[in-house]
Amino acid sequence: DGGITQSPKYLFRKEGQNVTLSCEQNLNHDAMYWYRQDPGQGLRLIYYSQIVNDFQKGDIAEGYSVSREKKESFPLTVTSAQKNPTAFYLCASSLYPGAAKNIQYFGAGTRLSVL
Amino acid sequence: GQSLEQPSEVTAVEGAIVQINCTYQTSGFYGLSWYQQHDGGAPTFLSYNALDGLEETGRFSSFLSRSDSYGYLLLQELQMKDSASYFCAAQNRDDKIIFGKGTRLHILP
Repeated sequence: DGGITQSPKYLFRKEGQNVTLSCEQNLNHDAMYWYRQDPGQGLRLIYYSQIVNDFQKGDIAEGYSVSREKKESFPLTVTSAQKNPTAFYLCASSLYPGAAKNIQYFGAGTRLSVL
Repeated sequence: GQSLEQPSEVTAVEGAIVQINCTYQTSGFYGLSWYQQHDGGAPTFLSYNALDGLEETGRFSSFLSRSDSYGYLLLQELQMKDSASYFCAAQNRDDKIIFGKGTRLHILP
């Protein structure tokens, strides 16, 4: 089955620790995205990538880092510089970046909490 | 700045019709999408409008007026499973998508 797989489903971070959230897609999509969702809030864009080995900052990139070494994979690292990391993190992909109809397909999400 | 405004909550009765409005202020606007998200779940795509007018997909319809920077999602024959949050999202020419804060739809039996 084609889709987007995020892991782990739940993640706990200690103070001063970096943690990495995994996102893998087998849809052969070019573009991938990371969003953060806080309770009762919409989705805010952290980073996005339109092509392998290239990515752009979204609206709330501070304290986060990404890589795009393979088309299928777009891991997100939440660094110790992110002082309020507790949130629901969603990864998405879309077929053609810049297409007139950019449908986003989402993974099931990772819920990150701070210990 | 870029923003989308939609009501935070809407309540309707099972079997009825409900409309969720969305106004947007973005630069380089391409089109307006709608997504559904059940509690704890992933958002799923519902519809997309690039041109003015109504798009119908089964019980769901979406409308766009570019001149008014306004759109809405219309849900007909409401079912209990339609209880969820609904997000409008503006697609811009720079490939970024800006999401509204979502409208939580409560359905009464």
